[in-house]
Amino acid sequence: GNSVTQMEGPVTLSEEAFLTINCTYTATGYPSLFWYVQYPGEGLQLLLKATKADDKGSNKGFEATYRKETTSFHLEKGSVQVSDSAVYFCALSDRVFGNEKLTFGTGTRLTIIP
Amino acid sequence: EPEVTQTPSHQVTQMGQEVILRCVPISNHLYFYWYRQILGQKVEFLVSFYNNEISEKSEIFDDQFSVERPDGSNFTLKIRSTKLEDSAMYFCASSEEGLAGGPGQFFGPGTRLTVL
Repeated sequence: GNSVTQMEGPVTLSEEAFLTINCTYTATGYPSLFWYVQYPGEGLQLLLKATKADDKGSNKGFEATYRKETTSFHLEKGSVQVSDSAVYFCALSDRVFGNEKLTFGTGTRLTIIP
Repeated sequence: EPEVTQTPSHQVTQMGQEVILRCVPISNHLYFYWYRQILGQKVEFLVSFYNNEISEKSEIFDDQFSVERPDGSNFTLKIRSTKLEDSAMYFCASSEEGLAGGPGQFFGPGTRLTVL
């Protein structure tokens, strides 16, 4: 079956540091890949996505590239801010018409200190 | 900006009791989902719902669980007889379309269910 493995947390960085959160996946077929973010007290929000190999998703300074050869979708940001402190979830979806069931990783808690 | 809402934010119940978790999806969305996250574990898919019927469910979603869209706005998850292992954060989500690669699912803030 499908699965997502992401970097264990928590991760603590100083402001303006470079961020990488690793994510690898196992899937049959050609999944779409997502990063969701959860800020304290809020629901999961879609941060970025990629639907095919070599696609790069980007949003709010975050980027992730769909690498089929390494089955990876690592999240990166060049210079993090305190406001980026949140829990980040890597996820994939089956390409099943009418049902975008998501398979999630465990989440990585990120804390940015000033 | 439209959002998915869930009530209550925290529900405490005794083992064996029935609970109903409520969600109000975004108004023009057609697909509805429930997920749960046991503390320290992955977010797990429970069920998807479209056109007033279940379109897919996981092995977690056994006979103790049911979903309903009783009116044009609410989407509920009922657990008939709660067990200790049902303690988790339950997330509702909705999407405008179900195709993979679409604009994505919008999640509510979750209901924390504690079974004593």
